[in-house]
Formats: sequence, structure tokens, C-alpha cells
Amino acid sequence: GIQVEQSPPDLILQEGANSTLRCNFSDSVNNLQWFHQNPWGQLINLFYIPSGTKQNGRLSATTVATERYSLLYISSSQTTDSGVYFCAVEKNIDDYKLSFGAGTTVTVRA
Amino acid sequence: GAGVSQTPSNKVTEKGKYVELRCDPISGHTALYWYRQSLGQGPEFLIYFQGTGAADDSGLPNDRFFAVRPEGSVSTLKIQRTERGDSAVYLCASSLDGTQETQYFGPGTRLLVL
Repeated sequence: GIQVEQSPPDLILQEGANSTLRCNFSDSVNNLQWFHQNPWGQLINLFYIPSGTKQNGRLSATTVATERYSLLYISSSQTTDSGVYFCAVEKNIDDYKLSFGAGTTVTVRA
Repeated sequence: GAGVSQTPSNKVTEKGKYVELRCDPISGHTALYWYRQSLGQGPEFLIYFQGTGAADDSGLPNDRFFAVRPEGSVSTLKIQRTERGDSAVYLCASSLDGTQETQYFGPGTRLLVL
């Protein structure tokens, strides 16, 4: 199956700092989503981004499909940004299922 | 409804018992997915429904696991003869009509098998 690697595994930030999370995948994909899993376990959709760049407030994401990677940018981090960030991909047009990376655990300190 | 809902939120059972986990997808979504998340890992795919039929059940770990969606809306994941290794968070997701669509996740059911 497709391999999804996220880096770094852990990230500790001071409130107000900026950061970049990376997701590498081993094959071409038709769907890529970024999620934030909050401390209560809820997976919150951040971006649906199989290619290109999107922005939503302090968060933005870029996927370079031809080079098989995606980046999630967090600017001016806040304590509420803490949690685990997952990248998930759907390999083929008939694949349907998402394959998740192991996640990046982000801790933002006040 | 406003989002995907799952019941119960938590389930504690004894080894060997039978459990049912319920998922209510977003209204109008024809695609429904079950995933399982173990501690410290990302979710792993179990089964995908398109309407009433299971289009892909390749992620079910063994024949103790079964899922149904009889009317194309609510789905039930059924686990027979539970084992301690089944302890995990079971997540349900739905999307509008399947591939290349945003999947929206429910809050999960935390299953603990003693």
C-alpha cells in the first residue's frame, strides 16, 4: 500500500511562533487531507488539498503532487493549536479509503 | 444532522462478549467509512459503504468483525467474541458520494476490552 510519512514526529512551540509540518507520500494520490485531532480525540478537517495552495486564517497548506509531498504551515501559533496533526491520502480514483500518516504532535506553550 | 455522530462514546466490555457500535452519518452522504485508531497511531481503514452495500471490506481484521448499513444511512459495526487487542477508538466518517471527496469524521467510540 501507499506509505505516508510525517515529520517531525513531535514539535514544541512557544506561543506566537510559526511552524511547518511535512507529509511525504510514496505514490500519486487523488485526495489529500490534513486533520487536527484535538485532545478529546475529534478529527477536525483542516484542508482538502490534492494539489495547490490553500489558506484558512492562520493555517495554510501546499501540496506539490508531482514531488509527492504536502506542507502545513501554522503561523502565530496559539495554545489551542496543540494536538496531533494528521496527513491522509487516497491513492487511486477507485480507492476510497484514506491512508494516514503517524501524525505530528504539536505542543504550544504559553 | 450537523455532523457525524457515534454512540456510545465509551464502551467497556469483557473478553469474549459481543459489542455493537453505531454511526449516524451526515444527512445526504451516501459514502460511509469505519476506521480504527490504536493509541499513538493514525486511523486505519476497516470498511467502506456506498449506499447500503459494503464496497470495500478489505480492512476488517478477521471474521469477528462485521458491519451493516441496511437503509443506506445509519451503520452498525459488530464485533463478536471480543479480544483485548480489539481495544481502540473506532471512528466513523462520511462523504457526499465517495472518491475524491472530503471525509468528515465523528467523535469516535472508545472501546476497552478487559
